[in-house]
Amino acid sequence: DGGITQSPKYLFRKEGQNVTLSCEQNLNHDAMYWYRQDPGQGLRLIYYSQIVNDFQKGDIAEGYSVSREKKESFPLTVTSAQKNPTAFYLCASSIVPPGLGVTDTQYFGPGTRLTVL
Amino acid sequence: QKEVEQNSGPLSVPEGAIASLNCTYSDRGSQSFFWYRQYSGKSPELIMSIYSNGDKEDGRFTAQLNKASQYVSLLIRDSQPSDSATYLCAVKRDTGFQKLVFGTGTRLLVSP
Repeated sequence: DGGITQSPKYLFRKEGQNVTLSCEQNLNHDAMYWYRQDPGQGLRLIYYSQIVNDFQKGDIAEGYSVSREKKESFPLTVTSAQKNPTAFYLCASSIVPPGLGVTDTQYFGPGTRLTVL
Repeated sequence: QKEVEQNSGPLSVPEGAIASLNCTYSDRGSQSFFWYRQYSGKSPELIMSIYSNGDKEDGRFTAQLNKASQYVSLLIRDSQPSDSATYLCAVKRDTGFQKLVFGTGTRLLVSP
């Protein structure tokens, strides 16, 4: 089955602790994204990557870090510097369009719900 | 002004009725428009995408785009209780690799 997997489904973090959320895709997509969703709010972009070994900050990157060592994997680390990390975290992937006129629809994984204890 | 605006709802419709969900956007350079459905506690799933003015139909769903008025809508015909979910509108400036901007979503409730 082709798709995006995220683990764990639920994650609990203690104050001052770093945690890493896993995202893996076998869709052969070049681009991967991390979003955060809070209750009653839309999705906000944390980081994105268009190619292996390269990534860019999104709108709310502070307190988060990522790596892109493999095309299939884009793990997100929530550091202790993120003061309000309780949220639903969504990973997505898409193609990188070869040029204008080709769109890059994003497909989402099942999400990880992070709670700070 | 928010980049993408949606009425949070809930929008309540009886089973079998037409549900109309609306979305306005502020960036006139937007070119790609997407509707995602999100069930409670689940991740968004793509329902429709539209890029040109006019209507695009897919089964019970019709997306309507009016770039001059900067709005995009989603019509759901013959609404079913299983359609009860939050519908997210997402907008992208150009085709090609650009950031996707999401609205906060409209909650739809379809009563039997």
